[in-house]
Amino acid sequence: EVQLVESGGGLVKPGGSLRLSCAASGFTFSNAWMSWVRQAPGKGLEWVGRIKTKTNGGATDYAAPVKGRFTISRDDSKNTLYLQMNSLKTEDTAVYYCGLGDAFDIWGQGTMVTVSS
Amino acid sequence: DIQMTQSPSSLSASVGDRVTITCRASQGVRKYLAWFQQKPGKAPKSLIYDASSLHSGVPSKFSGSGSGTDFTLTISSLQPEDFATYYCQQYSSYPFTFGGGTKVEIK
Repeated sequence: EVQLVESGGGLVKPGGSLRLSCAASGFTFSNAWMSWVRQAPGKGLEWVGRIKTKTNGGATDYAAPVKGRFTISRDDSKNTLYLQMNSLKTEDTAVYYCGLGDAFDIWGQGTMVTVSS
Repeated sequence: DIQMTQSPSSLSASVGDRVTITCRASQGVRKYLAWFQQKPGKAPKSLIYDASSLHSGVPSKFSGSGSGTDFTLTISSLQPEDFATYYCQQYSSYPFTFGGGTKVEIK
């Protein structure tokens, strides 16, 4: 069964950092482009960024609100995707989802990140 | 950035109704348009990719059409489990963007 499981969410103060993980199973992770999306409480979906495969140079793209603060990486040996979030702001409060591919063929269950003092 | 505009933002419909949701892109996205369904407190579920291709396991009552700037999602006969919020997303050019959502409620 194809599955994505996020972890690492929690409460963090403004200016702090957090790293989210997304464990993948049921497919060849190293061949997959992977994405992150977030959803603020009561709001719609917002694309965060995407990472290509190592064979495509592992290139990343980011949405403007997170560029320079967030970093997407991957460890193909562990079938795991990461989202390193630095300089967090209150407006980063959201449920963060990882997804398979640019079109989000498969979604994880999400992990909540709360940025508050 | 490409803006995705969904209409209506909400609708009320009865079981058995045919429902159509529209998604318009501010510039052409070719066929690179996906549709998702989200129920309260749950992760979104993928319904359609490449504008009209149904994901495996998605009932055939869902269908998508369009290309370029205008797209539609149609539910042929609304069932109780279909009451949810639906989102479109373009993945033609970065940054990828979502529509604001269409909430389908019970009349």
